[in-house]
Amino acid sequence: AQKITQTQPGMFVQEKEAVTLDCTYDTSDQSYGLFWYKQPSSGEMIFLIYQGSYDEQNATEGRYSLNFQKARKSANLVISASQLGDSAMYFCAMRPRGGNKLTFGTGTQLKVEL
Amino acid sequence: EAGVAQSPRYKIIEKRQSVAFWCNPISGHATLYWYQQILGQGPKLLIQFQNNGVVDDSQLPKDRFSAERLKGVDSTLKIQPAKLEDSAVYLCASSLDRTAGNTIYFGEGSWLTVV
Repeated sequence: AQKITQTQPGMFVQEKEAVTLDCTYDTSDQSYGLFWYKQPSSGEMIFLIYQGSYDEQNATEGRYSLNFQKARKSANLVISASQLGDSAMYFCAMRPRGGNKLTFGTGTQLKVEL
Repeated sequence: EAGVAQSPRYKIIEKRQSVAFWCNPISGHATLYWYQQILGQGPKLLIQFQNNGVVDDSQLPKDRFSAERLKGVDSTLKIQPAKLEDSAVYLCASSLDRTAGNTIYFGEGSWLTVV
């Protein structure tokens, strides 16, 4: 079974600053994918970034980067140059190689302030 | 490319009534998911389809929830009879297939309130 842990229920960051959202995971699978999603108040889950367990380089997508430390089983999301529109709930999720079941963490509520 | 479409967006029903949600995945996506997200929690998988077959429905409360994807394209999720604890957002999602690296795309969700 997979488990995702997000220990920060809420985070504040000032506009234009960088912020790191923590995610640790537990799995017995050797091959898996890690995802981050953003959920604004409208409810839609917006895909941000993906990291494969065998990818040697950390994933980056624009202002988003994933700090992947396989040995520590962590997959932290880094948002650079925060914008007011980044205020939302952020979920870390994992999917095993077999592809069944994307398992989500409990989320981190990010608030970007002026 | 059109995203995952869901309807209705909002529904309020009384307990013991029934409700149905509809989902049209991204064109060409073989895998379709229904997730339940209770306020303050992460989404929980209810059921996963591969084309028109069920892959995983282990967390679907089968005494009251049912889902189908008859032609392997769009899908409906039904709750009958509804309970107060069914109040949640029901998210439909799709992906090309079950490969771990394939992104799962979500719709805007159907918000259900049971009173």
